[in-house]
Amino acid sequence: KNQVEQSPQSLIILEGKNCTLQCNYTVSPFSNLRWYKQDTGRGPVSLTIMTFSENTKSNGRYTATLDADTKQSSLHITASQLSDSASYICVVRGGAGNMLTFGGGTRLMVKP
Amino acid sequence: DTAVSQTPKYLVTQMGNDKSIKCEQNLGHDTMYWYKQDSKKFLKIMFSYNNKELIINETVPNRFSPKSPDKAHLNLHINSLELGDSAVYFCASSHLSGNEQYFGPGTRLTVT
Repeated sequence: KNQVEQSPQSLIILEGKNCTLQCNYTVSPFSNLRWYKQDTGRGPVSLTIMTFSENTKSNGRYTATLDADTKQSSLHITASQLSDSASYICVVRGGAGNMLTFGGGTRLMVKP
Repeated sequence: DTAVSQTPKYLVTQMGNDKSIKCEQNLGHDTMYWYKQDSKKFLKIMFSYNNKELIINETVPNRFSPKSPDKAHLNLHINSLELGDSAVYFCASSHLSGNEQYFGPGTRLTVT
């Protein structure tokens, strides 16, 4: 069964600090992996997409990594800001029918 | 200039009623989707639809039906609403089914 597990479920950090969110998946075969940011009351917005051959990709203060061998991805946020407070969702495309499998998300709260 | 819009934003109704949620995208995308996000924040795909193919998640009750009057619209009809249908429903669209999806703001449905 295709699954995407994210950890931690929730995280509180102080403004200016760094943090790393984890995503482990069992989806096979693998097509790509996206990280989405979902602000409260809004729809998810794509941050990065990782394909099989990519190990690291950055988008501003967000850096995603992918280890396709161990089926793990991480999202590192540098110098966090209050506006980073949101849910971060890992989504993996692959498996039979090349479907999307969503993780449960990590709820990040950045405090001043 | 909203890319993906949904109406209404909030919907409160009683069990047994029939309701519809509308979705429109002005991105020229050819594929549209409906998702359900439950209280635990898991996003589950319900339908994906383009001009040629409707893909239904087999776990979706047949009380739910998507209707597409044209490429820019995919409405969600729900018959005989149940308490368990209470959730936030997101519409999304993409250019071709494998590409980045753009999400609408969501419709919070409450069934009493």
